Amino acid sequence: LAKTTQPISMDSYEGQEVNITCSHNNIATNDYITWYQQFPSQGPRFIIQGYKTKVTNEVASLFIPADRKSSTLSLPRVSLSDTAVYYCLVGLTVGNTPLVFGKGTRLSVIA
Amino acid sequence: DVKVTQSSRYLVKRTGEKVFLECVQDMDHENMFWYRQDPGLGLRLIYFSYDVKMKEKGDIPEGYSVSREKKERFSLILESASTNQTSMYLCASSLPLRGLNTEAFFGQGTRLTVV
Repeated sequence: LAKTTQPISMDSYEGQEVNITCSHNNIATNDYITWYQQFPSQGPRFIIQGYKTKVTNEVASLFIPADRKSSTLSLPRVSLSDTAVYYCLVGLTVGNTPLVFGKGTRLSVIA
Repeated sequence: DVKVTQSSRYLVKRTGEKVFLECVQDMDHENMFWYRQDPGLGLRLIYFSYDVKMKEKGDIPEGYSVSREKKERFSLILESASTNQTSMYLCASSLPLRGLNTEAFFGQGTRLTVV
């Protein structure tokens, strides 16, 4: 599975847009990019997934450049409730491949 | 709504005890996973199962075993609990990973303390 690198932590003020970038230089042709969010004392939950270009849903946007060696999770106008750990995962979504999580990025939103 | 239920939120066990952590999902998912989460180390995969009676080792299987006798239930067993197994344990389930937006659903976690 492709190894991912993301910042350990980030701070942001309420109302700002937050961009978390994940590097995955050895991503394979069949790999998708998935982001999960984890609040304290809860299990992670799926946020967004993409293969290339841009994906947007009600929670976030995911930007993937043409070479797919990195991806950026964008959270618009964060609030205090967006304080969480964000995980970038890269891997196959075909077959029975387990999800491998890294250490994630701890986002702290400040009032 | 998919529900993944772990039998206990908090558990305290003594060193050397045999410990069972139970996980049940109600969405007929084929895949089930056990992770442990420790500060600074993120989530690490212990075991996973993609079918009844099937199991595969993850990254840190030592000291653990698993059982999947029924599709909805995946048990993690600590044969002889040790203090270094004090951790948050998370169970997850998913459909076979195919196609876009296949996601894993996690339980609330079991915080195990071994004394």
